[in-house]
Amino acid sequence: NAGVTQTPKFRILKIGQSMTLQCTQDMNHNYMYWYRQDPGMGLKLIYYSVGAGITDKGEVPNGYNVSRSTTEDFPLRLELAAPSQTSVYFCASNPGQGGGEKLFFGSGTQLSVL
Amino acid sequence: AQSVTQLDSHVSVSEGTPVLLRCNYSSSYSPSLFWYVQHPNKGLQLLLKYTSAATLVKGINGFEAEFKKSETSFHLTKPSAHMSDAAEYFCVVSDGGNTGKLIFGQGTTLQVKP
Repeated sequence: NAGVTQTPKFRILKIGQSMTLQCTQDMNHNYMYWYRQDPGMGLKLIYYSVGAGITDKGEVPNGYNVSRSTTEDFPLRLELAAPSQTSVYFCASNPGQGGGEKLFFGSGTQLSVL
Repeated sequence: AQSVTQLDSHVSVSEGTPVLLRCNYSSSYSPSLFWYVQHPNKGLQLLLKYTSAATLVKGINGFEAEFKKSETSFHLTKPSAHMSDAAEYFCVVSDGGNTGKLIFGQGTTLQVKP
């Protein structure tokens, strides 16, 4: 049981490039989330999904897109990378209603846009 | 809207002395509150949670927190700091919906000196 797996762990992008951050969980959780963590700012919710085929915006969705074609996978897409997207990205999952105590986090992806 | 404010961005203690990390919350209803810990280059781990049962909540590694409605506070304490407690600590509130979304504070860096 691997939990929540994110790839890659590190990535450097040039301005304007695109990339997809991968997230997969093997716990059959319905709810999945993408957060970004900026220094001194805590975590901000980018997008979330309550089940396959259902996604919704969080606090800071601009510049990102997501899809949820399966229960296991929740990729995050950056179409035109900008320096403001330099951050650490965390994917998380939750088996159902109720938050916090059942939230499982991946180990993060450190992204730099230069 | 729900929010949390961590009153100290950085706290420094000596090993063996008490730890106090302060958190105030704002919520329009009875909130679910959490403390998460993040060790360097690691993901986030749940320390403890409050969900309207006992106001004094005990967590892992000797940490505890007290929910005080009159003061809208949820401070994290530990009687005796250990070197391994050095980390980033986040006070977190559930957004109150049925999606499991979390709202994070800005974080407090705990430094433990020998």
